[in-house]
Amino acid sequence: GAGVSQSPSNKVTEKGKDVELRCDPISGHTALYWYRQSLGQGLEFLIYFQGNSAPDKSGLPSDRFSAERTGGSVSTLTIQRTQQEDSAVYLCASSPERVLPPYEQYFGPGTRLTVT
Amino acid sequence: GEDVEQSLFLSVREGDSSVINCTYTDSSSTYLYWYKQEPGAGLQLLTYIFSNMDMKQDQRLTVLLNKKDKHLSLRIADTQTGDSAIYFCARGGNTPLVFGKGTRLSVIA
Repeated sequence: GAGVSQSPSNKVTEKGKDVELRCDPISGHTALYWYRQSLGQGLEFLIYFQGNSAPDKSGLPSDRFSAERTGGSVSTLTIQRTQQEDSAVYLCASSPERVLPPYEQYFGPGTRLTVT
Repeated sequence: GEDVEQSLFLSVREGDSSVINCTYTDSSSTYLYWYKQEPGAGLQLLTYIFSNMDMKQDQRLTVLLNKKDKHLSLRIADTQTGDSAIYFCARGGNTPLVFGKGTRLSVIA
């Protein structure tokens, strides 16, 4: 079946512009995670959605970052007034509703963001 | 220091065993994981171990967990060129994952 998809696969933007990154989780998966993979920082958690609960935003690095999840499915990560340090690969992952051990998260291929 | 740490590079000859090490400071997680990332691809769960176990074997893969020392290792037997990738150690459970920075494994033919 279809896995987690992300778009665009690559995005080049100028410093100061806003960008939107999209994640389509696996159908029926209610948990959705955003992570960021950057040189020197490794993989960092950004935000987590679980069903209708309030999202866990504890990993967002600044108020320029926000995310929403419409209809419990597709999610959009928005970065306002992009900075060069935002350049990274943004990864999305999802998990099914009745998550059983080992609580596997299924990752998408990522969006590579380059801020010039 | 970092919560989850691993060495950045490992180079082995084809056919040899590879051992990738990881240490962590927060032992509250119920599971520890090894993810594999191949060039241009997303992360793939390779194997995992429940925090109350000491060892898990899955074909060529052996995971060892020393809870006292907070040390996790992944051994790949008979390493092949197709094993060349970045391997991430992570801790978690039904929560966001906390990753190490990844170990780049290079396999020399």
